[in-house]
Order: sequence, then C-alpha cells, then structure tokens
Amino acid sequence: DAGITQSPRHKVTETGTPVTLRCHQTENHRYMYWYRQDPGHGLRLIHYSYGVKDTDKGEVSDGYSVSRSKTEDFLLTLESATSSQTSVYFCALRDGKDSPLHFGNGTRLTVT
Amino acid sequence: AQSVSQHNHHVILSEAASLELGCNYSYGGTVNLFWYVQYPGQHLQLLLKYFSGDPLVKGIKGFEAEFIKSKFSFNLRKPSVQWSDTAEYFCAVTSYAGGTSYGKLTFGQGTILTVHP
Repeated sequence: DAGITQSPRHKVTETGTPVTLRCHQTENHRYMYWYRQDPGHGLRLIHYSYGVKDTDKGEVSDGYSVSRSKTEDFLLTLESATSSQTSVYFCALRDGKDSPLHFGNGTRLTVT
Repeated sequence: AQSVSQHNHHVILSEAASLELGCNYSYGGTVNLFWYVQYPGQHLQLLLKYFSGDPLVKGIKGFEAEFIKSKFSFNLRKPSVQWSDTAEYFCAVTSYAGGTSYGKLTFGQGTILTVHP
C-alpha cells in the first residue's frame, strides 16, 4: 500500500531510553505525518513534514522530535520514553495537500 | 482549533441492518472530509472523501456519506451491513485557514462497529 514501510513493527523499551521509529516511502511524496493511536482518542498528529528539512509540530508533540533529511525517510524520536508514550504509531503520507492520506502498517511501542 | 466528534463509541448491529454513524466538526471555513476504516490488526484505509460538489458521496464497499454544511455534519451510511464490515471507523477533517493546512487531518475518536452474523 502506497509504498510505506514502518520499522520496527513492535518494540518494547524501558522508561527513560531514547527510541527512534522510521518511516520509509518509495512514492516520492512531499507530505509525511506521524500520528499516534490510542483508544478513545482516535489518531492524534505528533509532527508532520512538508518537505526535506521542513517539519512542524502537531497537537501532541511534547516529548517527540522528528527529522527528514531526505524525501523518503521521516524519523520520529522519543527523546526519553515514558509510559504515556505507549501507543501505536502510524506514519502517513500524501502527494498533495488535497489528496487522501495513505497509512503505514503501524509500530506498536510499549514503554515499561 | 478544529475538532471532530463522533457520536457513538460502539455500535452493534445484526447483518442486513442499516448503518448510520454520526460525525460533526467544529470548523466553519473550507473543509475536506474523510471517512477511514480500520479492520482488526490493520492500518487505516480510505472509505470515501468529500472535497466539493455533490454533497452525497459514494465510497467503496457500498458506503456513502452526506455532507450537510448547515449542520457541520458528515454522516456515514450503509443500507445493509455485513459481518465483514466489523471494524473501527474514523471521521477526519482538513480545514484551510489562511489558504494552507499542509494537509493535516484531525480525526474523530472513532466508532467501533460490530456486526453479528
């Protein structure tokens, strides 16, 4: 689906450790997004990118940073993981701001 | 800030029953509207979208949605559900303030649909 690969698919980590999630695309799409999914909250935007080295915060960005050094990769870093960051993380992308989002398969992160 | 509200957290139906899932949004400007579906253990997939034109839009698998601007609503409907429609459904909105949004979607909380055979 839309050439999106998220890695890892599952991860268990300890509180206080840094974690980096990777989103890789083969579509050359400009816009990329990181969402987290939690029961009762739907999907909430963490950060997004509208081009190489162009990123901005979403509604739940505290404790997260991102980097996009090339079109195909969008990295999400939890600087010091906390239990409240236990969630399923989805990467999404679109080729134009009026086109639908296409989602990756998600990364299930557990912070113990 | 824009917000999206889905009226029902969990809907339980029998096969062949009709479905209507409610969605209301808060933004009064230009909006693009979407419904996504997430089958168990899978990622979100687009069901249908509204950008402009006919407010009744048809999507995949027999789903349709009606945009009612005066009510800020975009309800999802299906005349006869199947067991395979069991999934979680998300309404989402992109608004355009000042001419740009970078395509950011705001999602509702989701509605879990369980269809009994």
